[in-house]
Amino acid sequence: GIQVEQSPPDLILQEGANSTLRCNFSDSVNNLQWFHQNPWGQLINLFYIPSGTKQNGRLSATTVATERYSLLYISSSQTTDSGVYFCAVLTGANNLFFGTGTRLTVIP
Amino acid sequence: KAGVTQTPRYLIKTRGQQVTLSCSPISGHRSVSWYQQTPGQGLQFLFEYFSETQRNKGNFPGRFSGRQFSNSRSEMNVSTLELGDSALYLCASSFQGGSGNEQFFGPGTRLTVL
Repeated sequence: GIQVEQSPPDLILQEGANSTLRCNFSDSVNNLQWFHQNPWGQLINLFYIPSGTKQNGRLSATTVATERYSLLYISSSQTTDSGVYFCAVLTGANNLFFGTGTRLTVIP
Repeated sequence: KAGVTQTPRYLIKTRGQQVTLSCSPISGHRSVSWYQQTPGQGLQFLFEYFSETQRNKGNFPGRFSGRQFSNSRSEMNVSTLELGDSALYLCASSFQGGSGNEQFFGPGTRLTVL
């Protein structure tokens, strides 16, 4: 199946710093989603972005489908941004293939 | 609009028992998918149901099964529980399924097998 790699695996930031999380995938995809997993385990939808750029407040995402990668930008990070960020891709069938995640810790 | 709901939220079982988990999708969504999350294997797809039919299945043993009802609610069952089945089980719904539909997740059921 398709391989999804995320980097870095761990990231520690000072509050107010900016960060870029990367997601590489090994084959063409029809859909890509970014999620934030909260401490209770729920996956919160951040972006549905098979291609192009989207912004939502301090977060933005860019997917370059032809080069098989996506980036998630977090600006002016806050402690509430802490958690695990997952990217997941969807190919022909309706099942998401998840990356291994980036664990972000924002310290005050 | 209410989100995806899952019950129960927490469950403790012993080896050899069976368990049934329930998922109610977002109103109007017809596709329900199930995922297992463990520290060792990460997030893995179990199966997807659409219009009461299993449309897609991941690489899990036959002890894992599911079904979908006419109102799109879904249940998954795990029989003869093993210690390795301890995991967070997540359900996701999408409007119709297929490659263009965004998936939304429920809060999960955390299963512990003793």
